[in-house]
Amino acid sequence: GENVEQHPSTLSVQEGDSAVIKCTYSDSASNYFPWYKQELGKGPQLIIDIRSNVGEKKDQRIAVTLNKTAKHFSLHITETQPEDSAVYFCAASGWGDKLIFGTGTRLQVFP
Amino acid sequence: DAGITQSPRHKVTETGTPVTLRCHQTENHRYMYWYRQDPGHGLRLIHYSYGVKDTDKGEVSDGYSVSRSKTEDFLLTLESATSSQTSVYFCAISESRAPGTSGSYEQYFGPGTRLTVT
Repeated sequence: GENVEQHPSTLSVQEGDSAVIKCTYSDSASNYFPWYKQELGKGPQLIIDIRSNVGEKKDQRIAVTLNKTAKHFSLHITETQPEDSAVYFCAASGWGDKLIFGTGTRLQVFP
Repeated sequence: DAGITQSPRHKVTETGTPVTLRCHQTENHRYMYWYRQDPGHGLRLIHYSYGVKDTDKGEVSDGYSVSRSKTEDFLLTLESATSSQTSVYFCAISESRAPGTSGSYEQYFGPGTRLTVT
């Protein structure tokens, strides 16, 4: 079955700097890769996703890139702000299959 | 939280007692999911439902059962709670299970239930 690894487990950046979180997956049949942001005491919130027919997707300050050959995908946050501080999860799934999540990255943005 | 509520939000129970968690949605989505979240493990799927009275197991289903008698409600039951089931439980919903089919494929999560088994 699918296995998703996520790095780093913690990430500290200065406000205004960029943050990058990376995930690798094992099942070459996976074709859907969402990213979730989870704030303290809340449920995960979908922030961006990408499908296998696309190499990159942007939404304002966040972007996701996908390298199907290497089986890895990354979340990029530019011009970080204190409100970006949260735990971020990546996930992967195949067609009609279940989501498999990474173990999470705790991002801290210092003013 | 996309029209999803979970109850209770917090519960403390003793080992060996039955516990039922409820997920209620107002989105009329077909698919509903129960996950547990533990440090170092991310989110792991317990059970999911693809319609009223239609359910299937996830990757960590042992010790859990589910029921769905109405589109809007999905219940998770721990028949005899154990300390290893201490966790935060999240419900999620989606319109469809695959890209290209009708409806949104994305999963949306509820606020969670923190369960402690002593």
